[in-house]
Amino acid sequence: ELKVEQNPLFLSMQEGKNYTIYCNYSTTSDRLYWYRQDPGKSLESLFVLLSNGAVKQEGRLMASLDTKARLSTLHITAAVHDLSATYFCAVMNSGGSNYKLTFGKGTLLTVNP
Amino acid sequence: DTEVTQTPKHLVMGMTNKKSLKCEQHMGHRAMYWYKQKAKKPPELMFVYSYEKLSINESVPSRFSPECPNSSLLNLHLHALQPEDSALYLCASSQDPSSYNSPLHFGNGTRLTVT
Repeated sequence: ELKVEQNPLFLSMQEGKNYTIYCNYSTTSDRLYWYRQDPGKSLESLFVLLSNGAVKQEGRLMASLDTKARLSTLHITAAVHDLSATYFCAVMNSGGSNYKLTFGKGTLLTVNP
Repeated sequence: DTEVTQTPKHLVMGMTNKKSLKCEQHMGHRAMYWYKQKAKKPPELMFVYSYEKLSINESVPSRFSPECPNSSLLNLHLHALQPEDSALYLCASSQDPSSYNSPLHFGNGTRLTVT
């Protein structure tokens, strides 16, 4: 069974600082996603990572994937308050023709002035 | 605004009621999903429909009954629920489960309270 672990689960950081969220997964996968969720809201797709060494950037967020280490990172550069949210990584595994997306527990990010 | 529309936004029901949650997408996606999310927890997969056929049922109790009338619509029929079923129910869609560059697009969810 695929397991997805994120850390840290809680992250409080100051504006302007940098930090990294880690996502480890237990079995081989060729697809990893990062989502953002604001309180009481739905999930917003941030990044789709499909291959070893993939790196994608959007604004102050950069995601990378190392399929050999089964590790993805979400790096936050010069954090701003608007980035406060819960960030989930999710890994797709396929058993035959069944494709199942498994989420990590999420990282609650709070950016303080 | 999300391209996956869920109704109602909020639902309060008693344990003897029968109600339905509805989900609609017009992106031409062929896979649709139901997820359940409890407060401060990740979404948990309930059901997956692929090309209007049920492909995954994550051992969900029979008091939850999914239905996919066509490729744009997904329903979740609720009957005899328990208070612990109170949660945010999220619908999602994707182009095709096997499509590599296809994230799930989530609706805004239905906040369900069972009394």
